[in-house]
Formats: sequence, structure tokens, C-alpha cells
Amino acid sequence: EDKVVQSPLSLVVHEGDTVTLNCSYEVTNFRSLLWYKQEKKAPTFLFMLTSSGIEKKSGRLSSILDKKELFSILNITATQTGDSAIYLCAVGRGYAGGTSYGKLTFGQGTILTVHP
Amino acid sequence: DAGVIQSPRHEVTEMGQEVTLRCKPISGHDYLFWYRQTMMRGLELLIYFNNNVPIDDSGMPEDRFSAKMPNASFSTLKIQPSEPRDSAVYFCASSYSGTDTQYFGPGTRLTVL
Repeated sequence: EDKVVQSPLSLVVHEGDTVTLNCSYEVTNFRSLLWYKQEKKAPTFLFMLTSSGIEKKSGRLSSILDKKELFSILNITATQTGDSAIYLCAVGRGYAGGTSYGKLTFGQGTILTVHP
Repeated sequence: DAGVIQSPRHEVTEMGQEVTLRCKPISGHDYLFWYRQTMMRGLELLIYFNNNVPIDDSGMPEDRFSAKMPNASFSTLKIQPSEPRDSAVYFCASSYSGTDTQYFGPGTRLTVL
């Protein structure tokens, strides 16, 4: 069964700090890894990674994937109170028969709290 | 472009009542997913459809839950009878088969008294 584990489960920092969120996975026929941000509403898409070693970047957020070691990190630099949210990692698998194609397996999330 | 649309946004009902949640996916998306989110269990996939056909319903908790997708632009999740432990936020999401990126609706917060 596919498995996605995020760490830490929660994190409290002050504005201006840099944080690193971790996501490790075990999945058959890996296709992609996605990061979502969830504030007090629906998860919103941040990044999708499919290749090792290629950093995806958007403003102060960046993410990289290591397909050999089966993990990804999400970095947030110069954190702001608006970064407070749950960050979700999810993996998708390529078609290999069965009924898992097309769906994502989500981790339990990291709750990030940024204090002023 | 309109995103995923869900209704109602909030639902409060009494134990034993039937609850119907509705979802309109993004136009052109051929996958539709129903999730449930609670503090204890996180985000759980209940069922998903491809081209209106249910593909995997192994996450549906029990026979009280059912889902349909009569056409490409509409899906329902029904709980009958509802119980207090069904209280959660229910999300609908959709995606296009060329990518794994799912787009979530605003969710329905269900409270069963």
C-alpha cells in the first residue's frame, strides 16, 4: 500500500525564520509528488515534481525531489504570518494496472505556525 | 474560469437524516474525487470517478455512504442515515487525466447533531 509520511507534524517559528518541511514516500510506480497549502479552507496547489534534482521555485517557496532516496523537501524562506497553514504532500502513481491510477495518496500534513 | 463548485457550504442536520452533498467539477476534467477531512484522520479519499464511472470506492466508510456521477458536470455524495461521527469537512476535487494536479472545491462543513 502506498505510504506518505511528513515531518515534523507541527512547527512553530517566528517571522523571518527559514523552515524545511519533509516528505518521504513509498509508492509503486511513482509518477509525481505534489505539495499543497491549506489555510482555513480548501487545499491549494503549490508544486508538482516529477524529476529528481530539479528545484521548483515560487517566490519564497521552493521544493526539490530525490527519487533515489524517496523524499522531497519544501523550503520557505523569510517566513511571514500568512505562511501559517497546513502543508500537505501527496504522491501519484503511473499506470500499472489496478485501480490506483489517477488518485493521490496524501500525507498527514505539517501544521506551520508563524508568530509575528 | 470557475473552479470546483460545491454545495451547500455548511450543513447542520440531526442524526438519522439524509444528507446530500453536491459537486460540479472543472469543465473538461475527467477525474472527480470525494474526500473527507477531520482533525483525527486527516484527508481521506472516499471514492473517485473517471469519465463518470466509479473507479475505487474502497474509502467509503460503510453502506450509509453512496456517490453518483450521472454526467460529466455533476456528482453527489449521499449519507443515509447520518450519524454524529460523520461530522467533517467534505471536499470534492477534479483533475485532468494528463496530470496528477487536483483542484479542490471550497468544501462542505457537515455537522450531525
